[in-house]
Amino acid sequence: NAGVTQTPKFRILKIGQSMTLQCTQDMNHNYMYWYRQDPGMGLKLIYYSVGAGITDKGEVPNGYNVSRSTTEDFPLRLELAAPSQTSVYFCASTIEGAGSYEQYFGPGTRLTVT
Amino acid sequence: GQSLEQPSEVTAVEGAIVQINCTYQTSGFYGLSWYQQHDGGAPTFLSYNALDGLEETGRFSSFLSRSDSYGYLLLQELQMKDSASYFCAVRSTSGTYKYIFGTGTRLKVLA
Repeated sequence: NAGVTQTPKFRILKIGQSMTLQCTQDMNHNYMYWYRQDPGMGLKLIYYSVGAGITDKGEVPNGYNVSRSTTEDFPLRLELAAPSQTSVYFCASTIEGAGSYEQYFGPGTRLTVT
Repeated sequence: GQSLEQPSEVTAVEGAIVQINCTYQTSGFYGLSWYQQHDGGAPTFLSYNALDGLEETGRFSSFLSRSDSYGYLLLQELQMKDSASYFCAVRSTSGTYKYIFGTGTRLKVLA
């Protein structure tokens, strides 16, 4: 299993541009999450999904959108990029009911908006 | 609100034992998890406490006391490769599926 994969690894955007961060998992996990991590800080939840077709906002959803058309994929869309969105973005997945609530993280996408 | 507080930084020498604390304010959660993150890397799962008490996994142990709203991660026989950031996390029982992460503790292991 590849686990959780994210693309791209790095990206530089100009203010006002848009992009989609891709996230795919091959573990058949129902639950998927998007976090952002600013330098020296903890993880903040942007959006999450408990299954295909079901998404909900996290702590910091403004400026982002998500969709979940399949179990495997959970893309994050940035519209009208702003410097405040410069961050590292992590996608994660988990399987509920296993008793541990372990989250599996992708390698991250490092985004700079200038 | 819901929050998990951790010391920002801890320093220890190789071979020593270090404890990283996590105090929380949350209405309810399923258990306390710990994650390790090396610089430039992704968080990786270390341990989980569903119940009060101590859980041991090799050199790492984790403790939870719901009555004290407190938990900790204990690292024994410290190695240089343990230099990383450590985060505690909980999943809320508030009816959603939101995970809340602590503020993170940066551990520096000195030779």
